[in-house]
Amino acid sequence: DQQVKQNSPSLSVQEGRISILNCDYTNSMFDYFLWYKKYPAEGPTFLISISSIKDKNEDGRFTVFLNKSAKHLSLHIVPSQPGDSAVYFCAAPNQGGKLIFGQGTELSVKP
Amino acid sequence: EAGVTQSPTHLIKTRGQQATLRCSPISGHTSVYWYQQALGLGLQFLLWYDEGEERNRGNFPPRFSGRQFPNYSSELNVNALELEDSALYLCASSDRLGQLNYEQYFGPGTRLTVT
Repeated sequence: DQQVKQNSPSLSVQEGRISILNCDYTNSMFDYFLWYKKYPAEGPTFLISISSIKDKNEDGRFTVFLNKSAKHLSLHIVPSQPGDSAVYFCAAPNQGGKLIFGQGTELSVKP
Repeated sequence: EAGVTQSPTHLIKTRGQQATLRCSPISGHTSVYWYQQALGLGLQFLLWYDEGEERNRGNFPPRFSGRQFPNYSSELNVNALELEDSALYLCASSDRLGQLNYEQYFGPGTRLTVT
């Protein structure tokens, strides 16, 4: 049962343009979401989070939007840079320290 | 400040053998989490240890087990290895605040290959 889904395995964007990564969830009890970024041969690193009491959270070039009624969140990167090329995971905490991750979206930003 | 470290980087075992993976958390972190990332899948939660106790377990068979030592480092043991156990095993750690804000810091992982 995949409670957090990232339906796009990959995304290619031109440098300077906007990257939009999408994530859907099925469990309406989820009240907090996180985005992680993962480079090859490294562990995931925390990027940005959002609580369900908000519909937007911004940190520099990164903005996460949450649509609770649609059970959908998205990560916007503006402007995209080649160093942003990585795999992006959305995650939601469940009981007992458990983070439930999506399958990941591989972003490629081309110069 | 040193991050989460894991050893070995790569591990090759044959079916039926046992594998032992090790993790050292960030200094001051008391919680250790283990995740499995099989090819094409997201990270799947395996185990959570805090203060030396197992606090939660994911949907994995009992041949996946582990422990946390007094210095908060942790070991993951996989017995009776099967081919489908081939995956990247990631360890993460957090402090008390991390348990509240869910921020977990990940190590680089151990790539386990079962042949």
